[in-house]
Amino acid sequence: SQTIHQWPATLVQPVGSPLSLECTVEGTSNPNLYWYRQAAGRGLQLLFYSVGIGQISSEVPQNLSASRPQDRQFILSSKKLLLSDSGFYLCARREASTDTQYFGPGTRLTVL
Amino acid sequence: DQQVKQNSPSLSVQEGRISILNCDYTNSMFDYFLWYKKYPAEGPTFLISISSIKDKNEDGRFTVFLNKSAKHLSLHIVPSQPGDSAVYFCAASARGSNYKLTFGKGTLLTVNP
Repeated sequence: SQTIHQWPATLVQPVGSPLSLECTVEGTSNPNLYWYRQAAGRGLQLLFYSVGIGQISSEVPQNLSASRPQDRQFILSSKKLLLSDSGFYLCARREASTDTQYFGPGTRLTVL
Repeated sequence: DQQVKQNSPSLSVQEGRISILNCDYTNSMFDYFLWYKKYPAEGPTFLISISSIKDKNEDGRFTVFLNKSAKHLSLHIVPSQPGDSAVYFCAASARGSNYKLTFGKGTLLTVNP
């Protein structure tokens, strides 16, 4: 079976501090991977997606960046967090045979 | 520009009755539609999907209907159960878009015992 892990589950960070969120996928090779954010009372917004190692596409200009150092690893980063970066961050993978995306458990980020 | 809209932020139904959740879209390039269920502090769970070549797809208690001319889809849950209480998101993707999903803002469904 295919599983998505996200680390950490929750995080409280001060404004101006760096960020690194990790997503790892098991049970599949060369998956399409996606980072979404759900802000309070909002829908899910696509931030980045990757079709392979080192290949990152950004959807929304912002204070964040993404990297894919390994086939099954997708990292979301920031050098200096803003209050507006608070939210629920979700990693997803695309099922190879369909357009369906499956999500990880998410990381709750609070920037104070 | 919100390309996927869920105009009802909330819906309340009685246990055993039908729940109907609605979704409208504006992008005529969308050709694959999905419904997700989400509990607080958890990732969304995939429920059911439909391709634009179909107008109906059924899976157990869940049925999704697609009306391409109206750019409208709906999710029917019959019979509704208290465990169905959650936020439901409609999502859509377009062929050739690297399978990126565009989500609506969600509808909070409450099923009362």
